[in-house]
Amino acid sequence: KNQVEQSPQSLIILEGKNCTLQCNYTVSPFSNLRWYKQDTGRGPVSLTIMTFSENTKSNGRYTATLDADTKQSSLHITASQLSDSASYICVVKGPTSGTYKYIFGTGTRLKVLA
Amino acid sequence: DGGITQSPKYLFRKEGQNVTLSCEQNLNHDAMYWYRQDPGQGLRLIYYSQIVNDFQKGDIAEGYSVSREKKESFPLTVTSAQKNPTAFYLCASSMGGGPGQVDSYEQYFGPGTRLTVT
Repeated sequence: KNQVEQSPQSLIILEGKNCTLQCNYTVSPFSNLRWYKQDTGRGPVSLTIMTFSENTKSNGRYTATLDADTKQSSLHITASQLSDSASYICVVKGPTSGTYKYIFGTGTRLKVLA
Repeated sequence: DGGITQSPKYLFRKEGQNVTLSCEQNLNHDAMYWYRQDPGQGLRLIYYSQIVNDFQKGDIAEGYSVSREKKESFPLTVTSAQKNPTAFYLCASSMGGGPGQVDSYEQYFGPGTRLTVT
């Protein structure tokens, strides 16, 4: 079954610290992997999109990595800020019964404290 | 100011009533989508449209209906047949692609509508 699992479910860190969020998927083969940031009560905003041939992609203080062999991705946040408090969602686009679909993880809820 | 808008932000309805959620985009995107988000679950696709006057069912289309008469608009109707309609509804658009295609087009999401049915 094609699945996307994220860990941890929630995370609390102090402002200025770094953190890494994990995404493991069983989708194979896959087209691309996306990371989104979703503030409470708002729509998700795209952070990165990586195809299977890309290992790393950065967007400011956000760096996503992808290991297609182990089917793992991580999102590293550097020098966290209070505004980083949000849910981070991993999405894999892959084939399901002959068509491609988006498979969403349940997200990691990050809280940055002053 | 380009973007994707949804209205209203909060919507309350009595059980048994149909309700229509609005989604408009001025990004000139061909593809539009409707998702539902419930606590502890990933987003689930309700309907999507890759071109005007055409739309396809997603994973949880039962109890929902859509139309795509204009490129800019993709309204979602939650009918009385939807057994558990209370949720956060998200509309999205992308330049192209969508389910069924291998692509890396970015999806842009609207701010969402929180529907409560009592």
